[in-house]
Amino acid sequence: GQQLNQSPQSMFIQEGEDVSMNCTSSSIFNTWLWYKQEPGEGPVLLIALYKAGELTSNGRLTAQFGITRKDSFLNISASIPSDVGIYFCAGPPNTGNQFYFGTGTSLTVIP
Amino acid sequence: DAGVIQSPRHEVTEMGQEVTLRCKPISGHNSLFWYRQTMMRGLELLIYFNNNVPIDDSGMPEDRFSAKMPNASFSTLKIQPSEPRDSAVYFCASSAGRGPGSPLHFGNGTRLTVT
Repeated sequence: GQQLNQSPQSMFIQEGEDVSMNCTSSSIFNTWLWYKQEPGEGPVLLIALYKAGELTSNGRLTAQFGITRKDSFLNISASIPSDVGIYFCAGPPNTGNQFYFGTGTSLTVIP
Repeated sequence: DAGVIQSPRHEVTEMGQEVTLRCKPISGHNSLFWYRQTMMRGLELLIYFNNNVPIDDSGMPEDRFSAKMPNASFSTLKIQPSEPRDSAVYFCASSAGRGPGSPLHFGNGTRLTVT
């Protein structure tokens, strides 16, 4: 199936620092979604992007739909301990309705 | 407003036994997805339904896996016979299905352990 590559694979940061992560695909995507998963729970939707170049914020989170439509970026400003979790990108490629998920970025915030 | 509800939360069974996982999607959502999550393979789409009809089951690993959606408010994923390599967390998700980009809403998963 479709492979979405996320980087970095893991991050260890100090509380208050900003975080940047990205997601790339070999196919064009019409939609990019960003999810956060905490231990023992299902992924929770953070931000949805529907248009190339779109920049959308949700509190301290900002995500962008890359203009090539093959990548997306997520930034977290002024991180706090509750930001800890695994962040996934996801979306349906241009050719189908299936949702594919990225490999995930594990975030640890050190108080 | 209830989200996606999955049961059981945990299931431990012996190899060869039948396992049935259950899902109640969000009311009004017309698309339902079953995913499997493991450390090695991440989140894999197994099958998805639209208006109770299976649309794509190409992710179902083997004939031992089957999924049904008898009505808009209930779906099952069955493994028969189960094997240790089936151990994983199984997620059900639903979406309003207004288009290919309609966001998925996940349940809290069923952690399956096959010994």
